[in-house]
Amino acid sequence: AQSVTQPDIHITVSEGASLELRCNYSYGATPYLFWYVQSPGQGLQLLLKYFSGDTLVQGIKGFEAEFKRSQSSFNLRKPSVHWSDAAEYFCAVGARGSARQLTFGSGTQLTVLP
Amino acid sequence: DTGVSQDPRHKITKRGQNVTFRCDPISEHNRLYWYRQTLGQGPEFLTYFQNEAQLEKSRLLSDRFSAERPKGSFSTLEIQRTEQGDSAMYLCASSKDLSGYNEQFFGPGTRLTVL
Repeated sequence: AQSVTQPDIHITVSEGASLELRCNYSYGATPYLFWYVQSPGQGLQLLLKYFSGDTLVQGIKGFEAEFKRSQSSFNLRKPSVHWSDAAEYFCAVGARGSARQLTFGSGTQLTVLP
Repeated sequence: DTGVSQDPRHKITKRGQNVTFRCDPISEHNRLYWYRQTLGQGPEFLTYFQNEAQLEKSRLLSDRFSAERPKGSFSTLEIQRTEQGDSAMYLCASSKDLSGYNEQFFGPGTRLTVL
């Protein structure tokens, strides 16, 4: 069965600093990988996705992520964090079966200091 | 495109009562998913529909839970005889059924509190 681990429950960065959120997955084949962001009272918004091809993917709001098969990782990065990036971030792997349901990690809460 | 909507946004009920939630997906999306999210956790898959057919259910979906999508448009999720452990955010998502993998668009969720 597939699984996702986000080792950092909570990360605090200063505005303007760089950010890296870690994600490790377990899946028996080449995975579909996603990063979602959730703000209080909001639904999940897709930041970026990896299906195949170039292992460095660009997303919305200046985020990028790199797929590293050898490390089973899909870390999310942003070179300069804005106060509005404060939210909870979820990494997810998508099943390749007919349901194509998502399996999420437990999330990383990001706090941005002024 | 108005996005995925869910109603109600919040529900407080007493243990043992029945509750029903509604999800309206994006109009041209024929796949619809239900997920449950508890505090401090990521969403967990409950079930999914392709058009009106419920094709897969998670082991998390006990006999007290039932989901329908009668005309392949909106969906309802009913919980009978609610328990305190049912307190969670219930999220609905929809996607197009095309070849390959397609983005799931999530609604704002219904937060259930069972007293």
